[in-house]
Amino acid sequence: NAGVTQTPKFRVLKTGQSMTLLCAQDMNHEYMYWYRQDPGMGLRLIHYSVGEGTTAKGEVPDGYNVSRLKKQNFLLGLESAAPSQTSVYFCASSYGVVGRVETQYFGPGTRLLVL
Amino acid sequence: AQSVTQLGSHVSVSEGALVLLRCNYSSSVPPYLFWYVQYPNQGLQLLLKYTSAATLVKGINGFEAEFKKSETSFHLTKPSAHMSDAAEYFCAVSGNTDKLIFGTGTRLQVFP
Repeated sequence: NAGVTQTPKFRVLKTGQSMTLLCAQDMNHEYMYWYRQDPGMGLRLIHYSVGEGTTAKGEVPDGYNVSRLKKQNFLLGLESAAPSQTSVYFCASSYGVVGRVETQYFGPGTRLLVL
Repeated sequence: AQSVTQLGSHVSVSEGALVLLRCNYSSSVPPYLFWYVQYPNQGLQLLLKYTSAATLVKGINGFEAEFKKSETSFHLTKPSAHMSDAAEYFCAVSGNTDKLIFGTGTRLQVFP
């Protein structure tokens, strides 16, 4: 099992460019999450999904969009990148029952630099 | 609602010394509690978790944590630090929502 994988590992963008980050999991998890990690800020939740075809906003959703067309994939899009979106992005997945999250499994991260 | 407070953003210990990383939580329902570790340039990996069974939980790499309801705490300990324990540690709580709530992390430095 590959667990949670993220593509790409590193990317440099110019301000205003767009890109999509891909997260894939092979554990048949219902729940998937996108976080960003910045120095001194810990992990901040961007968007999440509790099942195929569903998405919900997290703590810092502005400037990002997501889609969950297939259960195993969760895409994070930046329509018009800004320097403030320079960060390390982590995807995670977990089992869960309604209203209760179990262990989250994390991907290796994507480092994004916006110039 | 749930929240997590990690006391001390940086902790330094000597190799062989006791490691104590503090975590206090708030939850309106019986919580699940987690400790994750993040090594440089890697994702987070689970160290241990509490899900309402035994209050003393043993994890990987010699770490353990004790759930104390009266103190709303879930502190992480290791009797003897090793150089390889240097990393960032995150405490997290799961309550009655679809999300884990993470603390802001504690960076552990181990000196020889």
